[in-house]
Amino acid sequence: DIQMTQSPSSLSASVGDTVTITCRASQPIDIYLHWYQQKPGKAPKLMIYGATTLQSGVPSRFSGSGAGTDFTLTVTGLQPEDFATYYCQQSFSTPRLTFGGGTRVEIK
Amino acid sequence: EVQLVESGGALVQPGGSLRLSCAASGFTFSTYWMSWVRQAPGKGLEWVANIKQDGVEKYSVDSVKGRFTISRHNAESSLYLQMNNLTPEDTAVYYCTRASVSLWNAFDVWGQGTVVIVSP
Repeated sequence: DIQMTQSPSSLSASVGDTVTITCRASQPIDIYLHWYQQKPGKAPKLMIYGATTLQSGVPSRFSGSGAGTDFTLTVTGLQPEDFATYYCQQSFSTPRLTFGGGTRVEIK
Repeated sequence: EVQLVESGGALVQPGGSLRLSCAASGFTFSTYWMSWVRQAPGKGLEWVANIKQDGVEKYSVDSVKGRFTISRHNAESSLYLQMNNLTPEDTAVYYCTRASVSLWNAFDVWGQGTVVIVSP
C-alpha cells in the first residue's frame, strides 16, 4: 500500500499569513494527489485535485504543487474561515486509496 | 442539487452487525465509483471500501476484509455497507463519497456522515 505522510501535524498561524503543508508519498503517484479541508463536525471538502487544480468555488489563495512523491498545499493570506484540518489523499493506486494523517491549522 | 445522505448509524455491541445506507440524488449514480470513508473520534480519514459502477468489482481496506461488504443498487441510487462482527475499533463517523474520474478520482461529493458506536 502507498503510505502518505503529512507534515507538520499541526501549525499555528495568524490571519494574513502564508502557510505551507507538505505531503509525501511512499512511492511515485504522478499527480494523483488531492487536498481536502475539514472543519469540526463537518464532512471533508475537496479543495484541490490532480495536485494543482482548484476545485470549483475554492478561493484562489489556495494552491497546490508537486508531482511524483512530494506535494505541497499553500494558503496565501490565511483567512479566518481557513482554520481547519487539511488532508492529502492519493488515488494513484485506485481502487486502493490512502489519506495522509492530517494537518491542523490553528489560530495563533 | 448533488447530494449524498447516509443513514443507519447506531450504538451496537461488539460482535454485532449494522447496515449503513447512502441515498444519492442529483447525479447519475450508476456512472460513478462509490466509496465509504470513516473517521474514528479525534483521528484522521480512512478509506474503508469502494465499488465500481457495475457493482461487481469491490475493494476494501485489510482491517475490514471478511467483515464489511459494500454493495449498491443503481436503480435506487443507493449505496450500502453491511458491517458484521463489529469491534470497538470500528467506532467512527462513516461517510459516503463519490469519486470522479474527471477529477483524477478525487472524492468530490461527501455525505454528512453517520455515526457508528461499538460499545458494550
